[in-house]
Amino acid sequence: QVQLVESGGGVVQPGRSLRLSCAASGFTVSSFPMHWVRQAPGKGLEWVAVISSAGTIKYYADSVNGRFTISRDNSKKTLSLQMNNVTTEDTAVYYCARADGLLPYFDFWGQGTLVTVSP
Amino acid sequence: QTVVTQETSFSVSPGGTVTLTCGLSSGSVSTSFYPSWYQQTPGQAPRTLIYNTNTRSSGVPDRFSGSILGNKAALTITGAQADDESDYYCVLYMGRGISVFGGGTKLTVL
Repeated sequence: QVQLVESGGGVVQPGRSLRLSCAASGFTVSSFPMHWVRQAPGKGLEWVAVISSAGTIKYYADSVNGRFTISRDNSKKTLSLQMNNVTTEDTAVYYCARADGLLPYFDFWGQGTLVTVSP
Repeated sequence: QTVVTQETSFSVSPGGTVTLTCGLSSGSVSTSFYPSWYQQTPGQAPRTLIYNTNTRSSGVPDRFSGSILGNKAALTITGAQADDESDYYCVLYMGRGISVFGGGTKLTVL
């Protein structure tokens, strides 16, 4: 069965960096685009970034463009999100989500990892 | 900037029918936006309900259905149950890999 397990969350100071990971299993990881989606406490879901199956194409939300970098290592079945120059606005639960291979929607979700940006 | 709009909250009686909508701040929603819908209960990851406007995800009961109503995407729950009380989010695909979430609708079943 498809499993997505995020890790790397924690408390980080404003202006610092943090790297999130998502371990994927139960499917051919190299065949699917992958997303990061986040949810600030008490708020709605916000799409963050997407990476193509081969890792060659990446898109970002305006709110993180230039600060966050999405990447993947298909040999290790891992998705990553490098978060630089974080602000308190980046405090959220971060979910990795698999994209359907043909249609633009999220078909499987991880359980999320909490990032808290605090002085 | 494109804003995807949803009702903030909605209430339905057990056994009743409710339709939640998903619109655009400017323009109409069509199937070209590949509307999808997600259910989320507090503390849990989202669950995929509907994709490509009206296709139910695996295991989703047929009381959930998706459509285009007028200029919006819609999620209809027929025969609402207590455990349908959740937050519901729509997503519209804007092209170039970019997806935009609506603000979510908090559904109360009472």
